[in-house]
Amino acid sequence: DGGITQSPKYLFRKEGQNVTLSCEQNLNHDAMYWYRQDPGQGLRLIYYSQIVNDFQKGDIAEGYSVSREKKESFPLTVTSAQKNPTAFYLCASSIAGGSHEQYFGPGTRLTVT
Amino acid sequence: KNQVEQSPQSLIILEGKNCTLQCNYTVSPFSNLRWYKQDTGRGPVSLTIMTFSENTKSNGRYTATLDADTKQSSLHITASQLSDSASYICVVSADNNNDMRFGAGTRLTVKP
Repeated sequence: DGGITQSPKYLFRKEGQNVTLSCEQNLNHDAMYWYRQDPGQGLRLIYYSQIVNDFQKGDIAEGYSVSREKKESFPLTVTSAQKNPTAFYLCASSIAGGSHEQYFGPGTRLTVT
Repeated sequence: KNQVEQSPQSLIILEGKNCTLQCNYTVSPFSNLRWYKQDTGRGPVSLTIMTFSENTKSNGRYTATLDADTKQSSLHITASQLSDSASYICVVSADNNNDMRFGAGTRLTVKP
């Protein structure tokens, strides 16, 4: 099956700890994205990558880091510097950057206490 | 500033009824507009995509309209079903870069 997967579905961490969210796709897409979704707000772009070994900051990159060592994988690390990390995180991929349709993963709900 | 505003914020209708969701945007230059359906706790799934020259596009019981002059779009759902209960998100892309703006969504609840 082709698709985009995120793991885990739910993640709990103590304040001050870094945590890494996984995102994998087997759609052979060049571009991958990370969004944060909070209640009552639209999705906000954290980071995106249009090609392997390259990524760009989105609107709310502070406190987050990413890597793109493989085409299929785009992990997101939520660092202790992120002031309000509790949120629903969505990963997406598209065949290329720009306005191409993005296909979303099922999301990871991160709770930091 | 590129923005997308959706209304209403939430909506409750009875099964079998129709409803219309609204999306207003200020994204420029306009490339395309998509409507996504997002079930609770899941990722969004694309319903329709509309470009500048398209006024109406249907996908089963979902019909999207676009007025590029007034920068407004609507999503009409006919003969609603319980499975239509979800958030509906309007996404507008700009034509000059990776700028893709998401509305906050309309939370639709269909009751039996």
